[in-house]
Amino acid sequence: ETGVTQTPRHLVMGMTNKKSLKCEQHLGHNAMYWYKQSAKKPLELMFVYNFKEQTENNSVPSRFSPECPNSSHLFLHLHTLQPEDSALYLCASSQARDILSYNSPLHFGNGTRLTVT
Amino acid sequence: GQNIDQPTEMTATEGAIVQINCTYQTSGFNGLFWYQQHAGEAPTFLSYNVLDGLEEKGRFSSFLSRSKGYSYLLLKELQMKDSASYLCAVREGQNFVFGPGTRLSVLP
Repeated sequence: ETGVTQTPRHLVMGMTNKKSLKCEQHLGHNAMYWYKQSAKKPLELMFVYNFKEQTENNSVPSRFSPECPNSSHLFLHLHTLQPEDSALYLCASSQARDILSYNSPLHFGNGTRLTVT
Repeated sequence: GQNIDQPTEMTATEGAIVQINCTYQTSGFNGLFWYQQHAGEAPTFLSYNVLDGLEEKGRFSSFLSRSKGYSYLLLKELQMKDSASYLCAVREGQNFVFGPGTRLSVLP
């Protein structure tokens, strides 16, 4: 149990489908993140939310649409994806209130393995 | 720009000591984190350094030199279960920038 729960664990979708990834954290953190992990590439930051406000959009294509209704829940809505979007999508949370909380690490969920056909 | 480098792969023998290096050039710095990631699993937090020097945590130690933009993770008394990828990450405010990871294989 990591304190950060992601569903589904695996997802196969066609390029014309619409699906959503869900993330929930039970750690009382105020910041939530989406990362993409592809084979042989570093973890890529996609989006950051702090107190429900989006504070980072790392030049992510509009076919990925995040939603953060509250500090505990984060969604990633997917539509008209491409095969190169197949990857492991990791959600994470952290404390990021001020410099005194900067020793707080990221806590990751187990990820959603996405395959786009 | 941001650049974090790590060796791609390392191999070591059970019971030995291994040092995994990380060099970084980032626009900001609020600490350096090491994570362990087993295949098919989430990364898990190992250590944190923000001041120069060595932090020890059981079999694992991490070192930081801010002036050199350099860190290493030291694993002692290696066990088979230590076979995993080790990720170095720099915190810049609320953001974390990750290196490519080092895949460590521990052989019997």
